[in-house]
Amino acid sequence: DTGVSQNPRHKITKRGQNVTFRCDPISEHNRLYWYRQTLGQGPEFLTYFQNEAQLEKSRLLSDRFSAERPKGSFSTLEIQRTEQGDSAMYLCASSPGTSIVGEQFFGPGTRLTVL
Amino acid sequence: AQSVTQLGSHVSVSEGALVLLRCNYSSSVPPYLFWYVQYPNQGLQLLLKYTTGATLVKGINGFEAEFKKSETSFHLTKPSAHMSDAAEYFCAVSVGTGGFKTIFGAGTRLFVKA
Repeated sequence: DTGVSQNPRHKITKRGQNVTFRCDPISEHNRLYWYRQTLGQGPEFLTYFQNEAQLEKSRLLSDRFSAERPKGSFSTLEIQRTEQGDSAMYLCASSPGTSIVGEQFFGPGTRLTVL
Repeated sequence: AQSVTQLGSHVSVSEGALVLLRCNYSSSVPPYLFWYVQYPNQGLQLLLKYTTGATLVKGINGFEAEFKKSETSFHLTKPSAHMSDAAEYFCAVSVGTGGFKTIFGAGTRLFVKA
């Protein structure tokens, strides 16, 4: 399968713990995006990478959140000192650098539950 | 600022009936518009997209959408619903050069009755 993959698919953690999610984009895609989706809502943009450069961060991405894409391939999203409000589905998407119309390919998501 | 409004959080149709999911957008520049579908426990899959040119866009699984600039709408239709169409549908607008950011609507859940 050559689609976007995300690990883990599910994560249950206690409030205050740190969690890290991984996203592997489609191999030839140099753009990578993170979104958060809560129940009954559409995905909300968190951040965007072009290769290894993080070009935009949403105000939703508080200082407890950090994302990296060190070699321009896979990306990680870390949440420190998790809160119950962080419970959501975290989606990763990628798109080719040649795309001028923003079509994105989504992974299956990581569902985070903070107890 | 760009935004997307989907009218109706839930739509229920009978199998074989017309599907109509409504989407209105707000954009200060010519938009790129998308419809995505999400099946339970899966990521989003692109149904169709509007960039420029023909305002009637055909997508996968028999869906199509029409871009109406005067109405700032991009409604999704399918002539005959199938049970397998039951899913969540999201309208989205792409902003920024190269589409580096996509704004999604809140989604419409489609139920298909036998």
